[in-house]
Amino acid sequence: TQLLEQSPQFLSIQEGENLTVYCNSSSVFSSLQWYRQEPGEGPVLLVTVVTGGEVKKLKRLTFQFGDARKDSSLHITAAQPGDTGLYLCAAFLNSGNTPLVFGKGTRLSVIA
Amino acid sequence: EAGVVQSPRYKIIEKKQPVAFWCNPISGHNTLYWYRQNLGQGPELLIRYENEEAVDDSQLPKDRFSAERLKGVDSTLKIQPAELGDSAVYLCASSFARFGAGAPEQYFGPGTRLTVT
Repeated sequence: TQLLEQSPQFLSIQEGENLTVYCNSSSVFSSLQWYRQEPGEGPVLLVTVVTGGEVKKLKRLTFQFGDARKDSSLHITAAQPGDTGLYLCAAFLNSGNTPLVFGKGTRLSVIA
Repeated sequence: EAGVVQSPRYKIIEKKQPVAFWCNPISGHNTLYWYRQNLGQGPELLIRYENEEAVDDSQLPKDRFSAERLKGVDSTLKIQPAELGDSAVYLCASSFARFGAGAPEQYFGPGTRLTVT
């Protein structure tokens, strides 16, 4: 059983379109992180959300942590080809001293 | 500032052979992690070090995998003997954990892609 379920698994869109990807669980998390991974590279941290209902923006990316701290979403406005990559959510069950658990990721392809 | 360095980047070996991966974390980072990422999956933690001490190795297959972090800096991960199912990308990450500071930011290396034939 996957602790973090990400959807969709694959997404292919045209440049300029908007999209939302999701990260869901039945567990409550102390914090949740989103990473982007490009081919041949390690994941790179985009954001950490800690408070239920928290919304963070990073240029055209908007991250939201669910009120109950069980789920999160990533919304991209006006997607660019440079947004192409594997988007991973990861969460700590308890404090930062416990293992970081990753979802399987959403593979995004933005076509020019 | 240099990032996490891993070598080799690629390794192809025959099953039953040994293999070793090396990681140099970011200078000053006290925590080091080894992850395995199978195709189409997210990374899974194998072992975590706090300085020289392995504090979480519950997911490390100890019959064939071993790791060490001498002097609390560089680390090596070894597989002996390798099996076909060990083919994956092995990622090293490091972070600086401050007590009470919450979730640390982990910086990942580019990984070693292992193919076992």
